[in-house]
Amino acid sequence: AQKVTQAQTEISVVEKEDVTLDCVYETRDTTYYLFWYKQPPSGELVFLIRRNSFDEQNEISGRYSWNFQKSTSSFNFTITASQVVDSAVYFCALRAGGYQKVTFGTGTKLQVIP
Amino acid sequence: DAMVIQNPRYQVTQFGKPVTLSCSQTLNHNVMYWYQQKSSQAPKLLFHYYDKDFNNEADTPDNFQSRRPNTSFCFLDIRSPGLGDAAMYLCATSSQNRGHTEAFFGQGTRLTVV
Repeated sequence: AQKVTQAQTEISVVEKEDVTLDCVYETRDTTYYLFWYKQPPSGELVFLIRRNSFDEQNEISGRYSWNFQKSTSSFNFTITASQVVDSAVYFCALRAGGYQKVTFGTGTKLQVIP
Repeated sequence: DAMVIQNPRYQVTQFGKPVTLSCSQTLNHNVMYWYQQKSSQAPKLLFHYYDKDFNNEADTPDNFQSRRPNTSFCFLDIRSPGLGDAAMYLCATSSQNRGHTEAFFGQGTRLTVV
């Protein structure tokens, strides 16, 4: 069975602060994919990043960075110098096993205060 | 350019009155999904199509049905909506040729049952 845990339900930061969103996953499969999605108030899920289980390189994209550590089954997401437009719910997700099903975490609501 | 399009964005239906939500895609992806997302919860997979093969999740109520007449279109039919079916319904697609990686989501249809 697959499971994704996002322990942080809500986070509030002041604009320009850095913030890290935690994600811990569980799977018995050796091949799997991890994702982060952003869901703004408008409702659509916006794809941010994909990582496969064989690639532990960390990635940076502008103000966003991701830290994938298989040893701790974590795939954390850091926003540097947060902005009000970053306010959204962020979901971590896992695809493994049968490949079709994506298991989502419960999401972390990020509020960036001006 | 919208790649996964859901219509309508907002749907109000009466208790017990059948309703159909639609999804179309311009990505030519072979897998299409329907997720249900209730307020402050993670998206929950209802079912998916792998090409023409329908795959129902074990806990999806019989009240929910789906049709995929061709690659581009997929419909979600709710035969007798109850108040508990009020939610955001998200359609997504992914491609086998891309190794079953990330799913692309539409903007969702927010269903209200009165």
